[in-house]
This record gives sequence, structure tokens and C-alpha cells, in this order.
Amino acid sequence: RKEVEQDPGPFNVPEGATVAFNCTYSNSASQSFFWYRQDCRKEPKLLMSVYSSGNEDGRFTAQLNRASQYISLLIRDSKLSDSATYLCVVNIVNSGGSNYKLTFGKGTLLTVNP
Amino acid sequence: EAQVTQNPRYLITVTGKKLTVTCSQNMNHEYMSWYRQDPGLGLRQIYYSMNVEVTDKGDVPEGYKVSRKEKRNFPLILESPSPNQTSLYFCASSRKSRETQYFGPGTRLLVL
Repeated sequence: RKEVEQDPGPFNVPEGATVAFNCTYSNSASQSFFWYRQDCRKEPKLLMSVYSSGNEDGRFTAQLNRASQYISLLIRDSKLSDSATYLCVVNIVNSGGSNYKLTFGKGTLLTVNP
Repeated sequence: EAQVTQNPRYLITVTGKKLTVTCSQNMNHEYMSWYRQDPGLGLRQIYYSMNVEVTDKGDVPEGYKVSRKEKRNFPLILESPSPNQTSLYFCASSRKSRETQYFGPGTRLLVL
């Protein structure tokens, strides 16, 4: 099983649609979770951290289910400017517990159409 | 402005010609890391550094070297580049390894 696995996409949706991204991770010792956004040929940028209680930032809602090792991102009322690749990112601790490493999913490309 | 900078942004070179990609951050971050991004493979960690003089291998370290003599700088060295090192490279930093990482703008490398 891959360390971090995402929907392969791509997703093409009309403006105003609701779109959901799913992600699973294999290491139950994972400590922190993020969604990053990457525009074409640009660097990844943090979209939001993901907390066990779930969290919301405007049109974006992130959920974490530790028991199922599952993370999701919901985008409501999608805008043209939401078009990007969304990366699921998990911070995994090493066996000695001394170091954390970010592991990235391969990303899901979203295109929002007018 | 808090940022991570990389130089050069674009580089075309030939097989075997040593090169260095510089990375610098002005946020006093302890943790720095190098990634490469390739189509279909996503972002893969090359090397990371927990602090000054502390570096370790990531998932794909072969053919690369790094150093961390100062907190703000973390150069990536390709002693003898080969065509399979053609890629998009990102440097990133964070306050601690478990925290959010901030990425530089990327360096696009072509090895002929």
C-alpha cells in the first residue's frame, strides 16, 4: 500500500459545483496532515492543515478520520481560480520518533470550467 | 518578507558538469529539505536537514549531496549530473520538522 494515496483525477467541474477530494495514508503513526495547492509550474502552497475535529476555512472543509486513515477536502461553490492540483500531505514520524517527514500524494488536478 | 529563495530558477547543463543549486530562507527555520518533482511520481524527498550540520537522506538521495553550514542556507550539489536528474527541484523549510513547510519557487533543471 502506498504511503499516501489520492484520487488520481483529473476532475472537471463547472463553476459553483461542490467537489470532494479523498486521500488515504498507510502509516498509523502519522502525526499531522495537510492539504497543499499547486498551480501549474509553481511551488506547492499550504491550503490548510487538517485536524481530527475537522476544520473549515471559507468554502474549504477538511476532515480527518484516524481510525480509517482517511483525509478529505471539500470545496463548495467552486471558482475558476480554484483550478489547480491538490496535494494530500502527511507528516510521518520515523521509527526512532525523532524526525518527521512530509510525504506527498501524487496530487489531483482540478479544472473548474465557466 | 518571509521567503525561501532558490537559484538558479532555470538551468541547462551537460552530463558530468558539477552544479550547485542554492537555497536560502530568512525565517530562522531549523528544518530544510530538498524535493524533486517528476510527472507521475509526485514530490519525492532527496535530502533533509534538522538543523545546522545535521543532514540525512530522503527517499531518492543517489547522485546528490547537501550541506548545512549555516541555518539559512541548504545548497543541493550534483557532482556529476546525469540526464535522469532532469527534473523540477524544490527547496522547503519549516520551523520544526513536524510543522508546515514553505517552498521555494523551484529550479527547473535539464541535463543533456
